[in-house]
Amino acid sequence: KNEVEQSPQNLTAQEGEFITINCSYSVGISALHWLQQHPGGGIVSLFMLSSGKKKHGRLIATINIQEKHSSLHITASHPRDSAVYICAVSNAGKSTFGDGTTLTVKP
Amino acid sequence: DGGITQSPKYLFRKEGQNVTLSCEQNLNHDAMYWYRQDPGQGLRLIYYSQIVNDFQKGDIAEGYSVSREKKESFPLTVTSAQKNPTAFYLCASSPWTSGKRTDTQYFGPGTRLTVL
Repeated sequence: KNEVEQSPQNLTAQEGEFITINCSYSVGISALHWLQQHPGGGIVSLFMLSSGKKKHGRLIATINIQEKHSSLHITASHPRDSAVYICAVSNAGKSTFGDGTTLTVKP
Repeated sequence: DGGITQSPKYLFRKEGQNVTLSCEQNLNHDAMYWYRQDPGQGLRLIYYSQIVNDFQKGDIAEGYSVSREKKESFPLTVTSAQKNPTAFYLCASSPWTSGKRTDTQYFGPGTRLTVL
């Protein structure tokens, strides 16, 4: 069992839909990251969380430290949101990554 | 602008050749990392360096080598001993503040290496 589990593995949505991607982890962490990887490979760091909730535009990330769970929400999804979303947890300066969730938003 | 630069974005090499991937950061971070990503798999740690002139093996270091002669640079060499070098390579860095390593990792854009 991976230390970081993401669900779903693949997600297809219609433009405008509200999207949730989940991340559960089984190790102690100091921070959790949500990354976005577009086709072609470039990775963008979306959020770094250690507690609570963060919002950036249409993206919202939450974390529950007690339950070892985080969610990434996308409101009013758009085809340009199509990408792989990766959850990573870090502790003592090293990160462990989930396998990613491939999101496809259709117009 | 501060950040991490990896070049080139795409790299092609013939089998049997060594190839060096560049990673430069101007964030004044002490720690730097190299990860590898294979299709359908998560990122795995190859090497990391906490300070200049020091580096440690990660989970999959075989067939790779690194150097850390300067704080801002952490090049990764994929040697001919690496049996499956075709992959996406991601560099990251994190600060060391007041003697304490922090967990905020900043990621470069990555290099996609294809060995023909």
